[in-house]
Amino acid sequence: QKEVEQNSGPLSVPEGAIASLNCTYSDRGSQSFFWYRQYSGKSPELIMSIYSNGDKEDGRFTAQLNKASQYVSLLIRDSQPSDSATYLCAPTSGAGSYQLTFGKGTKLSVIP
Amino acid sequence: DADVTQTPRNRITKTGKRIMLECSQTKGHDRMYWYRQDPGLGLRLIYYSFDVKDINKGEISDGYSVSRQAQAKFSLSLESAIPNQTALYFCATSGGTSGSPDTQYFGPGTRLTVL
Repeated sequence: QKEVEQNSGPLSVPEGAIASLNCTYSDRGSQSFFWYRQYSGKSPELIMSIYSNGDKEDGRFTAQLNKASQYVSLLIRDSQPSDSATYLCAPTSGAGSYQLTFGKGTKLSVIP
Repeated sequence: DADVTQTPRNRITKTGKRIMLECSQTKGHDRMYWYRQDPGLGLRLIYYSFDVKDINKGEISDGYSVSRQAQAKFSLSLESAIPNQTALYFCATSGGTSGSPDTQYFGPGTRLTVL
C-alpha cells in the first residue's frame, strides 16, 4: 500500500508569516512530486511540481524534495488570507507511472 | 472556456438508480482519470485511461464502470447507486506535448448525493 502522509492541521499562521507544509511518502519509486491547493468545494489546482532533490522556487512558493528521506515540503512566504485552503501532496505512484497518490491534505488558515 | 468540463455539476439521485457523470476536455491530453473525494479520506482513484483503447481500474473501482468514447470524453457510470457513493467526483487529464506530461489538471467536480 503506497502511503502519503500529511499533517491534517489545521495549521494556523499569521498574515505575512511563513507557512511550512510537510509530506512523507512510502514509494521509493516515485519520481515526480506535486503540490495542489484546494479551496473548500472546489477542484485541486496545481501550485508546484518538483522532480529533483533540492529546492524549487516560484514566487512566494518553495518546494523542497529529499528523496533519500522520502520527504517533500512546501513553504509559503508572506502568507496571505487568500492562501487559506487545503494543500494536497501528490507523488507519482512508482517509477514511470503517470498515476498520482494523494495525501489527505493539510488545512492552512492564515489569520489576518 | 474551461479546459476540463464535467456534467452535471450537482446531482441528487435515489438508491438503485443508474447515473452517468461525463467529462470532456479540450487540452488534447491522452490520459484521463476519475477520482472521488470524501471528507477525511482524500482523493481516491476510481478508473483511469491512457488512450481510447486503454482502461484501467484504480484503487476503488467496485460499483463503477467507465467508457472512453473519444480522446476528449471519459464517462463514469454508477450502475446501481448506493448511499455510500455520495461524494465529490473529479475528472482529471494529463499528457500533451508541452509542459510536464504527468501533471494532472482537474475539472470543476460533480457533487453527487445518493438518497
